[in-house]
Amino acid sequence: DQQVKQNSPSLSVQEGRISILNCDYTNSMFDYFLWYKKYPAEGPTFLISISSIKDKNEDGRFTVFLNKSAKHLSLHIVPSQPGDSAVYFCAASALSNSGYALNFGKGTSLLVTP
Amino acid sequence: GEEVAQTPKHLVRGEGQKAKLYCAPIKGHSYVFWYQQVLKNEFKFLISFQNENVFDETGMPKERFSAKCLPNSPCSLEIQATKLEDSAVYFCASSPDRGHEQYFGPGTRLTVT
Repeated sequence: DQQVKQNSPSLSVQEGRISILNCDYTNSMFDYFLWYKKYPAEGPTFLISISSIKDKNEDGRFTVFLNKSAKHLSLHIVPSQPGDSAVYFCAASALSNSGYALNFGKGTSLLVTP
Repeated sequence: GEEVAQTPKHLVRGEGQKAKLYCAPIKGHSYVFWYQQVLKNEFKFLISFQNENVFDETGMPKERFSAKCLPNSPCSLEIQATKLEDSAVYFCASSPDRGHEQYFGPGTRLTVT
């Protein structure tokens, strides 16, 4: 059962515009959420995280928003750059339940065009 | 080191052979995790360690998979009697403490023929 879902397999955005990647989860025990970026033949690279006690976290061009009531989070990249083209994975874990394993979505492939 | 190191990069085994993968976590990180990426984008958690102790092994297929993290040695993931369905990329990740982000290695691609 897929507890973390990324319903858009791909997204294409023009350079300089905003990229919005979405993620939904079903397990209400999840309390820590992360976004990873992955290039082919490499491991996932950590981008940004958010704890369930917050609804927003910002780091440079990357902002993650969390809507706990909707069990939804999103990653905003502003402005988008061609180097941002990669697969983005949403992940979640249930820290308060002593489960530190990450549950991943299936990824969204972002293409930023010049 | 400052990065998670995994060896080998690629491993080819005939069905029924043993496969052993290695992971050196970032120095000072207490937690080590193994994930299996089957197909292109599906990650499956296998096992985690807190230092040399198994922390969570709920994802491990116990009949053929085993893992260790011994002091002063790389962590290892061993698959006895590999099957075709074990073909995947195996990622190791480490974390400094509970509740922190996990840092991933480059992965080991296992191909079972």
